[in-house]
Amino acid sequence: DADVTQTPRNRITKTGKRIMLECSQTKGHDRMYWYRQDPGLGLRLIYYSFDVKDINKGEISDGYSVSRQAQAKFSLSLESAIPNQTALYFCATSGLGQGGETQYFGPGTRLLVL
Amino acid sequence: GENVEQHPSTLSVQEGDSAVIKCTYSDSASNYFPWYKQELGKGPQLIIDIRSNVGEKKDQRIAVTLNKTAKHFSLHITETQPEDSAVYFCAAWQTSGTYKYIFGTGTRLKVLA
Repeated sequence: DADVTQTPRNRITKTGKRIMLECSQTKGHDRMYWYRQDPGLGLRLIYYSFDVKDINKGEISDGYSVSRQAQAKFSLSLESAIPNQTALYFCATSGLGQGGETQYFGPGTRLLVL
Repeated sequence: GENVEQHPSTLSVQEGDSAVIKCTYSDSASNYFPWYKQELGKGPQLIIDIRSNVGEKKDQRIAVTLNKTAKHFSLHITETQPEDSAVYFCAAWQTSGTYKYIFGTGTRLKVLA
């Protein structure tokens, strides 16, 4: 079984709809991240959480919200989807450490907002 | 905060040739530099990393070099094979402010058979 799973893998929605992307991990990591990938822009951080009670905005958090339901679960919500939120979304986890730790990515969710 | 620039954005090489991808970073306090490979339809996966107390690291056909003075690090792939075709991302671990990764914009590598 995969260490980091994301659901759904693909989603088509309409402008104005609320949607939730879910992420679960079995690595026992405290740190979880949500990234957005667009062609030519690489991976941009939306939100990150260093433990269940710690939620932080990344560089592009506007229009998104998150919930850390448990150590293993981190959800990303689009309250009112808009077409420029069409992108590939990745969840990732990492262990503790001030010296940098390997990030483990999920398979991604491809979102299309019409 | 940290800024990471990655070049080139696309790279085509003949099978068996070498490929080099370069990244520059701005925060001299950054101390960890991983490289990720993303295959079609999958999430990025770590292939090699280097810490700031090391100048070079090798793993079979893959190597990473770090020049702290110039603030750049490079991925070297020798004897390229078709399965090396993918998108490669560099990243820097930002230590000033809140600890987090800053990623480069990616390089699409095509190995031509």
